[in-house]
Amino acid sequence: AQSVAQPEDQVNVAEGNPLTVKCTYSVSGNPYLFWYVQYPNRGLQFLLKYITGDNLVKGSYGFEAEFNKSQTSFHLKKPSALVSDSALYFCAVRDRAAGNKLTFGGGTRVLVKP
Amino acid sequence: ETGVTQSPTHLIKTRGQQVTLRCSSQSGHNTVSWYQQALGQGPQFIFQYYREEENGRGNFPPRFSGLQFPNYSSELNVNALELDDSALYLCASSFRDANTEAFFGQGTRLTVV
Repeated sequence: AQSVAQPEDQVNVAEGNPLTVKCTYSVSGNPYLFWYVQYPNRGLQFLLKYITGDNLVKGSYGFEAEFNKSQTSFHLKKPSALVSDSALYFCAVRDRAAGNKLTFGGGTRVLVKP
Repeated sequence: ETGVTQSPTHLIKTRGQQVTLRCSSQSGHNTVSWYQQALGQGPQFIFQYYREEENGRGNFPPRFSGLQFPNYSSELNVNALELDDSALYLCASSFRDANTEAFFGQGTRLTVV
């Protein structure tokens, strides 16, 4: 069975400071990894994905994520956070051998203060 | 915007009733998935449809059922509604390949009273 853990319910950061949102995963095979963001009363918006190749993945709105196979992690990062980055962030995993089911973490709320 | 549209946006139903939620997929996508997002939690996979057939199912009872139509639009039906069915229901469309991202609609907020 596949699973995702986001150990922090909330991350607080000052505007302009680096932002990191943590994610660890568990799959039986090789993973496909995704990050989504959710604004209030909205659906999920795709940010980036790791499929294969370079461990550092760049995505939308200046976000990037680093895949670490040995630590089974896929942390989301942004060098300089904006107030508009305040939202709910979800990490998700797909086991290549288990079909197209996406398994999500519980989410991390990011609050960027001016 | 993703191009995935869901209707209605909000719905209130009484326990024991039945409900149908609708989703229009993004143009070109042939696979649709449905997720349930309870308040304060991550989305949970309900099931997926590809070429009008169920192509995977999560841990949800049979009273959750679905349809996919030839134009790749989809319906989620829930019978015998329970209070715990209150949630945001999200539709996601994609290509079938597992390495492609899913695009989500804005969701339908279902409240069961």
